Amino acid sequence: DSGVTQTPKHLITATGQRVTLRCSPRSGDLSVYWYQQSLDQGLQFLIQYYNGEERAKGNILERFSAQQFPDLHSELNLSSLELGDSALYFCASSVRPGMAETQYFGPGTRLLVL
Amino acid sequence: AQTVTQSQPEMSVQEAETVTLSCTYDTSESDYYLFWYKQPPSRQMILVIRQEAYKQQNATENRFSVNFQKAAKSFSLKISDSQLGDAAMYFCAYRNYGGSQGNLIFGKGTKLSVKP
Repeated sequence: DSGVTQTPKHLITATGQRVTLRCSPRSGDLSVYWYQQSLDQGLQFLIQYYNGEERAKGNILERFSAQQFPDLHSELNLSSLELGDSALYFCASSVRPGMAETQYFGPGTRLLVL
Repeated sequence: AQTVTQSQPEMSVQEAETVTLSCTYDTSESDYYLFWYKQPPSRQMILVIRQEAYKQQNATENRFSVNFQKAAKSFSLKISDSQLGDAAMYFCAYRNYGGSQGNLIFGKGTKLSVKP
């Protein structure tokens, strides 16, 4: 158990819908990363937050957004869902970015868009 | 932009034998970190080993060791005395050193099978 929690574990929804994925980082970790794992694209970085502020963006679609709250948990919002958004979404946390600390991954949320 | 390449989509090893997984990367940076992550069927991402580019000594964690060749931009993972529990997807990952962005860049992965 990495100490990073993600809810829900599984999510099935329809095209055009909106969903919210939640992540709680390890105790003491200030930085949160979101990654998407799909068959065609592999593991891709989406977005990073540090202590409530956005720090970096990767291949995140405009239909997707995220935020990190004062209690440091983070939410990834996916809207106008398409079949191609079906993937495993990981959250990872670390103490602070740019240093030698390890990123610890949560168990992931498996999203299926029908 | 940095890239990570794993040229072996699948590998197989006999239990108790040794196997080496390959990884190459491309970067113009001189300082960075390299990682191997394991993803078993449970889909959990588990850190196996980490290497700092400024360290010449190859990292070792129990049965896992790396061969880091900075000039060749190569970072292979050696698993000794392979066990059935080692069967998983293995991902090589790169991260820049310093700065405020610490996201990982992953290779496509190598699926390792362990035969009893």
